[in-house]
Amino acid sequence: ETGVTQTPRHLVMGMTNKKSLKCEQHLGHNAMYWYKQSAKKPLELMFVYSLEERVENNSVPSRFSPECPNSSHLFLHLHTLQPEDSALYLCASSQEVQGIYGYTFGSGTRLTVV
Amino acid sequence: QKEVEQNSGPLSVPEGAIASLNCTYSDRGSQSFFWYRQYSGKSPELIMFIYSNGDKEDGRFTAQLNKASQYVSLLIRDSQPSDSATYLCAVNTAGGGADGLTFGKGTHLIIQP
Repeated sequence: ETGVTQTPRHLVMGMTNKKSLKCEQHLGHNAMYWYKQSAKKPLELMFVYSLEERVENNSVPSRFSPECPNSSHLFLHLHTLQPEDSALYLCASSQEVQGIYGYTFGSGTRLTVV
Repeated sequence: QKEVEQNSGPLSVPEGAIASLNCTYSDRGSQSFFWYRQYSGKSPELIMFIYSNGDKEDGRFTAQLNKASQYVSLLIRDSQPSDSATYLCAVNTAGGGADGLTFGKGTHLIIQP
């Protein structure tokens, strides 16, 4: 474990389901992120939370809804997803050290939409 | 639009040789640069970061940065089969705060025994 824990590790959901991904960091970091990794594409930044406030939303469809109740926990709520949303969803956290942000990733949730 | 370009490979290198991985980036405001290693089915793992022009060495790994050419590279000396993985280059405009990393597609490296 890297200090960033994601659950579940695997998720299969239908297009009409509602599910949530959970991320917890034990590193004392003050920023958390959701990334999407699809085959043949770069890691895509979805959401950033810094000091529990969302600072960026990269035009992500509204069927993805993030929640950050405190600096250690991050959720991604999913509803009415499409098959093309099947991907590896990675959570990361970061902390500034001498002007450099070091990012630590969780193990990811492999999502399959059927 | 921030872009990070990498040759997707596969890059095949004999065991014991030097593997050279390259990356270019479009945003001149980028201030910190990261190399991550990702094994199949696993999450990215930080190998090295660099933020000053020149070379930075850590064990068998050397990161090289040339901001004028917007180029960053990773050298792996004495390559081992366990180095076979996808290597992701990532950049950050750290001056703006925790705004996340922009990643390349990654280079698939194969070390041949």
